[in-house]
Amino acid sequence: ETGVTQTPRHLVMGMTNKKSLKCEQHLGHNAMYWYKQSAKKPLELMFVYSLEERVENNSVPSRFSPECPNSSHLFLHLHTLQPEDSALYLCASSQVGGAGRTKNIQYFGAGTRLSVL
Amino acid sequence: GNSVTQMEGPVTLSEEAFLTINCTYTATGYPSLFWYVQYPGEGLQLLLKATKADDKGSNKGFEATYRKETTSFHLEKGSVQVSDSAVYFCALAPYSGAGSYQLTFGKGTKLSVIP
Repeated sequence: ETGVTQTPRHLVMGMTNKKSLKCEQHLGHNAMYWYKQSAKKPLELMFVYSLEERVENNSVPSRFSPECPNSSHLFLHLHTLQPEDSALYLCASSQVGGAGRTKNIQYFGAGTRLSVL
Repeated sequence: GNSVTQMEGPVTLSEEAFLTINCTYTATGYPSLFWYVQYPGEGLQLLLKATKADDKGSNKGFEATYRKETTSFHLEKGSVQVSDSAVYFCALAPYSGAGSYQLTFGKGTKLSVIP
């Protein structure tokens, strides 16, 4: 099985729908991340969870709501999205803390391609 | 704040050509530097890394050397293949002793290799 698994791979939703993206990591890491990748824009970090507590929230609109029930699972709940929210949403995980610089390497899932109509 | 600047793409090369993708960074202290690759329809994969000045990261024929004096981490490959067609991202992670959460990415450079 792959290290970081995201479902679904593709999602089409209307502006009034509510949906959730799921991410699962099998690497034993203690931090998980949500990124947004839009065409012709840099990768945007949305949320970071470390030891199941949110440690970063980079001015993301409240229509995006993350949830991290345990160190292996991360969700992104979506409601009343806008067409400009259409993008590839990437999940990543890493091991933070402890000795050594290599412990901040992030491993990514394949992403969920979201289209908002 | 931290930033990463990489050359604008797209880059189109013939098979077996030499590849260079430039990357420069701005950061305080001694960041770790990375190259990630994104193949069509997939997420990002770590290609190589370097954690201190003069380190050379290498993988799959790709190399990059951490140059602190020029704040650069250019990606090179001597002979590209069609299978190397992808988007390449340069990234840095600040060093904060116990580790850091945030990667700063460049905008990505799309490489197309034609037979």
